[in-house]
Amino acid sequence: GENVEQHPSTLSVQEGDSAVIKCTYSDSASNYFPWYKQELGKRPQLIIDIRSNVGEKKDQRIAVTLNKTAKHFSLHITETQPEDSAVYFCAPNKFYFGSGTKLNVKP
Amino acid sequence: ETGVTQTPRHLVMGMTNKKSLKCEQHLGHNAMYWYKQSAKKPLELMFVYNFKEQTENNSVPSRFSPECPNSSHLFLHLHTLQPEDSALYLCASSPKGPTSGNDEQFFGPGTRLTVL
Repeated sequence: GENVEQHPSTLSVQEGDSAVIKCTYSDSASNYFPWYKQELGKRPQLIIDIRSNVGEKKDQRIAVTLNKTAKHFSLHITETQPEDSAVYFCAPNKFYFGSGTKLNVKP
Repeated sequence: ETGVTQTPRHLVMGMTNKKSLKCEQHLGHNAMYWYKQSAKKPLELMFVYNFKEQTENNSVPSRFSPECPNSSHLFLHLHTLQPEDSALYLCASSPKGPTSGNDEQFFGPGTRLTVL
C-alpha cells in the first residue's frame, strides 16, 4: 500500500489549547483526504474530510488544511476539550490509514 | 442496531478451532472491508470487496479466508490461527467503492478476537 505517515504519534495538550496533527503521503493521485476519530473502545468515525480542489475546510472547532504540492494535510483542533481525547487517523489513499495519533487533552 | 453490525463482539478460540466472523451493512453500500487493529499496527487493511468481488488482498495469510455472498454481508473465516492473530477485527463499508477515490468509510463495532 501507499506510504502514509502521521506525526506526532502522541500529543498531550492542556484544555483550551490547540492541537495539530500532520499526515504525509506518497501517492500523487490521492484526491480525498479524510480524518477519522476513534474514542477508546469505540469504532473509528469520520470527523472531517477535504477534496483535492480545496485548500482548507473548517467545521466549528476542527479544520483540515491541504498542501497537495508537498503531499501533506493537517488536522487542526482549536479550544480543545477533554472529549477530544482519542486516536486520530488520516487515510489519504482510500483504505490505507496512517499509524494514528493519540491525543490527550488534560482538564 | 443500524449501520454496520458485527457478530460476535467477542471470540476466544484455540489454535485448532475454526470460527467465522460476520459483518452486515444496512446502508446500501457497494464496498466492504476487513481491517485488523492491534497495538502494533493500528488500522491494517486486510481485504476489500467491491460489488461482491475481491479487489484487494493485503498479503493476508491463508488462515484468514473472506467471503462476500452479496454486497450486504461479509464473512471472515478463521482456521489454524496463531496467538499473534489476537486483535480487534473491524468491518467497514463505503457507498461508492474503492474506485471512486473519495468515499467515507463506515465502521462496525468490531470483534475482539483472542487466540489461545
